[in-house]
Amino acid sequence: AQSVTQLGSHVSVSEGALVLLRCNYSSSVPPYLFWYVQYPNQGLQLLLKYTSAATLVKGINGFEAEFKKSETSFHLTKPSAHMSDAAEYFCAVSGGSQGNLIFGKGTKLSVKP
Amino acid sequence: GAVVSQHPSWVICKSGTSVKIECRSLDFQATTMFWYRQFPKQSLMLMATSNEGSKATYEQGVEKDKFLINHASLTLSTLTVTSAHPEDSSFYICSAIPLAETYIVQYFGPGTRLTVT
Repeated sequence: AQSVTQLGSHVSVSEGALVLLRCNYSSSVPPYLFWYVQYPNQGLQLLLKYTSAATLVKGINGFEAEFKKSETSFHLTKPSAHMSDAAEYFCAVSGGSQGNLIFGKGTKLSVKP
Repeated sequence: GAVVSQHPSWVICKSGTSVKIECRSLDFQATTMFWYRQFPKQSLMLMATSNEGSKATYEQGVEKDKFLINHASLTLSTLTVTSAHPEDSSFYICSAIPLAETYIVQYFGPGTRLTVT
């Protein structure tokens, strides 16, 4: 069975600083991995996805994530945080035959001016 | 592209009444749609998988008679919360997988906030 662990329920960074949100997964098969962002009272927006192609995946808004099989990790990074990046971020792994997602508990990112 | 809408975005209903939430894929067809529930400051919990033309598959612990799901077309799935109670108050989010991207990417609707008084 697949599972996702997001380390740190709340991460706070200063504007312009590096953003690092951690995600570790467990999967018995080669996984599809995703990062989604959720702004207050909104649905989820896909940031990026890993589907067994390049291990370094670039997404929208300057985010990227690197798939490391040896570490079973898929951490999300952004070189320079912007105030508009403040949101909840969810890592997910695709499980099941119908493509249903298994989500981590989420990490709330705060950006200080 | 790949836009999913939900209607209504916010609904208040009285205890004992039923509420229908619509999920539409606006610019693609989807044989599979998912319904999630999200409590404040928590992650998404999958309630059911909806397949066009067939019965929905419910996750363990989700009452199928209370949360009725209908996926009558390739662009529309509905969730009806029957005999709603205050504990059903939550944020309900749907998602859809485009026909051409089966098993790869889910696109999410903006969510529906249900408040039962």
